[in-house]
Amino acid sequence: AQSVSQHNHHVILSEAASLELGCNYSYGGTVNLFWYVQYPGQHLQLLLKYFSGDPLVKGIKGFEAEFIKSKFSFNLRKPSVQWSDTAEYFCAVNLSGTYKYIFGTGTRLKVLA
Amino acid sequence: DTEVTQTPKHLVMGMTNKKSLKCEQHMGHRAMYWYKQKAKKPPELMFVYSYEKLSINESVPSRFSPECPNSSLLNLHLHALQPEDSALYLCASSRDRTASTDTQYFGPGTRLTVL
Repeated sequence: AQSVSQHNHHVILSEAASLELGCNYSYGGTVNLFWYVQYPGQHLQLLLKYFSGDPLVKGIKGFEAEFIKSKFSFNLRKPSVQWSDTAEYFCAVNLSGTYKYIFGTGTRLKVLA
Repeated sequence: DTEVTQTPKHLVMGMTNKKSLKCEQHMGHRAMYWYKQKAKKPPELMFVYSYEKLSINESVPSRFSPECPNSSLLNLHLHALQPEDSALYLCASSRDRTASTDTQYFGPGTRLTVL
């Protein structure tokens, strides 16, 4: 069965530290990849997505992610986090051409001021 | 307007009650989704509507009954729920489910507690 793994469940960083959140999926076909963020008290919103082309995609608020097909990975990065990045981050995979969206278990990020 | 609204924000119901959750969007999206999210778990897809027709039912129990009265509205009718159905119910919409690169826009959710 298809699945999405996020290995870091909780991450605590100081401001200005660099961030990398892992996301791996298991599916042999073509996928579209997403990172969503949920700030405290707010709804899920899109950070960035990849569906074709340059495997390094840039999103909002300085986030970027790299799709490595051979590793079935789509890791999220930010060079310097801010306190306002405190949130829960979800990786999601869509099986291309289908309705099917599968979310990872999420990573709770806390940034200390 | 890139907003998906959901009402009510919170709902407490008994196992014999009948209630409904409502979702609305005015972005002209033709695909709408219901997800269920338990605490500390990822959202799990329940239903997908495409052009007001039910496209996908992910083997959801019949005590959950979705309805799409028009292209802007999506309801979820609840009847005879169980305590384990307590969760956050999220609605989302996207331009068209067949264009799976489309962004899904999520509502804030309805937090349901079944006593």
